[in-house]
Amino acid sequence: EPEVTQTPSHQVTQMGQEVILRCVPISNHLYFYWYRQILGQKVEFLVSFYNNEISEKSEIFDDQFSVERPDGSNFTLKIRSTKLEDSAMYFCASRSPQETQYFGPGTRLLVL
Amino acid sequence: DAKTTQPPSMDCAEGRAANLPCNHSTISGNEYVYWYRQIHSQGPQYIIHGLKNNETNEMASLIITEDRKSSTLILPHATLRDTAVYYCIVNNNDMRFGAGTRLTVKP
Repeated sequence: EPEVTQTPSHQVTQMGQEVILRCVPISNHLYFYWYRQILGQKVEFLVSFYNNEISEKSEIFDDQFSVERPDGSNFTLKIRSTKLEDSAMYFCASRSPQETQYFGPGTRLLVL
Repeated sequence: DAKTTQPPSMDCAEGRAANLPCNHSTISGNEYVYWYRQIHSQGPQYIIHGLKNNETNEMASLIITEDRKSSTLILPHATLRDTAVYYCIVNNNDMRFGAGTRLTVKP
């Protein structure tokens, strides 16, 4: 069964460093999403992406965040200058039109 | 913010049916009801969704009231592996998760 994959599974970085989280959505999906989950808290929507542009973003998704689909398979989330409070699980999701979202296993980001 | 209300926690005996309620009184006519679950810190796992008719798949059944203001997810024979946080979400596109219901299946 096709699934969303994410790399790396764990990332440790120093505060102020840039990180890129990678996702490979399910191959025929057209809508892509990033979510985050701070430890012990709920899953929070960050951004949705369709047709090579952001379709919606939350108030969390500020100027330090960016998303890109650099080729036909990857979907990335970049955090330009990480802060301690960026430590969280980051989940990628994808869907095809009229279908539900399928989530990846997540990347655990720890900012020191 | 989430447009749903769920009890924070529930227990269920192994082998029994788990019935998880959700209130979504402000649901609009074209919004679906989705159910996901999250086991520990894994990615949310899709369970089932519906618009107005009851739905059943290999994992669960979804019962939606006629006025669509509430629904119930039914796990017919809960196992220990069904212990998870269950999320009821109402939307058309972007998933807005609430706190969900922490279901604990006990032996």
